[in-house]
Amino acid sequence: SQQGEEDPQALSIQEGENATMNCSYKTSINNLQWYRQNSGRGLVHLILIRSNEREKHSGRLRVTLDTSKKSSSLLITASRAADTASYFCATDGRGGNQFYFGTGTSLTVIP
Amino acid sequence: GAGVSQSPSNKVTEKGKDVELRCDPISGHTALYWYRQSLGQGLEFLIYFQGNSAPDKSGLPSDRFSAERTGGSVSTLTIQRTQQEDSAVYLCASSLGSESFYEQYFGPGTRLTVT
Repeated sequence: SQQGEEDPQALSIQEGENATMNCSYKTSINNLQWYRQNSGRGLVHLILIRSNEREKHSGRLRVTLDTSKKSSSLLITASRAADTASYFCATDGRGGNQFYFGTGTSLTVIP
Repeated sequence: GAGVSQSPSNKVTEKGKDVELRCDPISGHTALYWYRQSLGQGLEFLIYFQGNSAPDKSGLPSDRFSAERTGGSVSTLTIQRTQQEDSAVYLCASSLGSESFYEQYFGPGTRLTVT
């Protein structure tokens, strides 16, 4: 399977702390995206990182990509209770047109 | 503007019945994806449409599953002779193009329960 795997499966932190989630994948990719899913809702795109990029920032989000290790990390700084959600990484396959989603990290931010 | 919409939002059906799930993508989006998400799981790719090209059906789990996209817009996912293991949330997404640097816009999903 080309699916990404997120780690940890679940994470619980206090408001204000940083949250780090990791994603590992199996095949070469062109792009990797992170999505967020609130309970019972659809997914919302957070950030895209291309295979030739190593780090990207967007507001309180920081994404890194290590293609040699086939892994990516998502860091949420100064977490808020509203960040409570599941976070998924999505990678493209060799064909580039399909997305493979991981099983997600469930983040709980305690106020 | 309007996002991706899906209908119905919830569907309860008896085992063995056929169901149709509908997806209205964002206007102008040429790519459309269907995914299945079982409880507490990630997304399972089902099928992908790009413009007028033949769809990529490689993710469909069995021949009971089929999908159409009429006029390059609305899509219908049909599940024939439903089984209990088909119970899941079915998510539709659309994007401006097929390249993987385009973000996908997801609908709210259809929760299917097969009794």
